[in-house]
Amino acid sequence: DQQVKQNSPSLSVQEGRISILNCDYTNSMFDYFLWYKKYPAEGPTFLISISSIKDKNEDGRFTVFLNKSAKHLSLHIVPSQPGDSAVYFCAASATRGSARQLTFGSGTQLTVLP
Amino acid sequence: NAGVTQTPKFRILKIGQSMTLQCTQDMNHNYMYWYRQDPGMGLKLIYYSVGAGITDKGEVPNGYNVSRSTTEDFPLRLELAAPSQTSVYFCASSYSIAGHYEQYFGPGTRLTVT
Repeated sequence: DQQVKQNSPSLSVQEGRISILNCDYTNSMFDYFLWYKKYPAEGPTFLISISSIKDKNEDGRFTVFLNKSAKHLSLHIVPSQPGDSAVYFCAASATRGSARQLTFGSGTQLTVLP
Repeated sequence: NAGVTQTPKFRILKIGQSMTLQCTQDMNHNYMYWYRQDPGMGLKLIYYSVGAGITDKGEVPNGYNVSRSTTEDFPLRLELAAPSQTSVYFCASSYSIAGHYEQYFGPGTRLTVT
């Protein structure tokens, strides 16, 4: 049972245009959401996050939107740059057991074409 | 700060062999985690620890063991390697402060069991 889903395995975008990556979740206990970026042969790197009490969070070229009623979040990258080409993972956080735990989606490979 | 370091980077094991994956963090984080990532999938939590001497199972703990004798180190032990344990293993750490749920990842260990 996938609680966090990224339905697009890949996305190609022209340099300078907007990239929109999507993520859906099913568990209402998730109250904090994160996006990670991963280059080949490296560990995931934290990019941006949003609390469930907000609907938008911006950091430079990156904006995350949260629609709680639809259980949907998205990451917007504007403008997209070739260096943004990587796998992007959506993650949702909830307290389970004795600690906060992250549940990850399967990732979206973003390719930004020059 | 080196952040989260993992050794080795690569390893090939024969079925039935044992090994320990090492993980060290220098950020004084209380929480540490072990994940595995299979091709085309998200990261799945194997074990986690909320502090020295305290460990707990994650989503996929079978075939693994952990210990946490210091704040800095969180080794993962495979006792009887099986082909199903072929994967990339990531160690992560995080603060235990409310509102700071991002985890910081090491570069990963690529393990092949044949």
